Amino acid sequence: AQKVTQAQTEISVVEKEDVTLDCVYETRDTTYYLFWYKQPPSGELVFLIRRNSFDEQNEISGRYSWNFQKSTSSFNFTITASQVVDSAVYFCALSPTSGTYKYIFGTGTRLKVLA
Amino acid sequence: KAGVTQTPRYLIKTRGQQVTLSCSPISGHRSVSWYQQTPGQGLQFLFEYFSETQRNKGNFPGRFSGRQFSNSRSEMNVSTLELGDSALYLCASSGGLQVPGLAEAFFGQGTRLTVV
Repeated sequence: AQKVTQAQTEISVVEKEDVTLDCVYETRDTTYYLFWYKQPPSGELVFLIRRNSFDEQNEISGRYSWNFQKSTSSFNFTITASQVVDSAVYFCALSPTSGTYKYIFGTGTRLKVLA
Repeated sequence: KAGVTQTPRYLIKTRGQQVTLSCSPISGHRSVSWYQQTPGQGLQFLFEYFSETQRNKGNFPGRFSGRQFSNSRSEMNVSTLELGDSALYLCASSGGLQVPGLAEAFFGQGTRLTVV
């Protein structure tokens, strides 16, 4: 069975602190995709990043960085120098690489960045 | 370009009624997926349509159904509404390349359904 676990339900940080959101996944597929989405209060899920299972290269995009480790089935997300606008619920998701766009989502981590 | 549009944004229905939600995907996208989001169950996959065909279905009762039109617009219908159907229903649009999964899904703002 496929499963995504986000153990951190809610995290509060003070502005400018760094914060890491954890994601652990389970799948029997040899190839798969991992995603991070952000859900602001307006409701829509905003795409942040997609990672292929065969590409373990870490990625940095501005203040965001992602650490994918296949050996530990983890795909963690770090925000550097957090800002109040980063406050949202963040979801990690898993999908197969072909046949469907069915995503398995984690339960989400609510990030509160305090001014 | 325009994003994913879901209508209506809010709905209040009575138990036993039925409801139809609409989703207009990003122009050129051929895949539309639907998700139900509740505080208790989180985000759960309902179904996916690609070129008017249901390609995958989640673990929901038959009261939940959907369809996709030739212009890729999609509707989902819930019949005989129950209180537990109260949720945010999100639609996702994807490019639908020959090998799905290469393109990420873009989500609409959702329809918040309240069943009373």
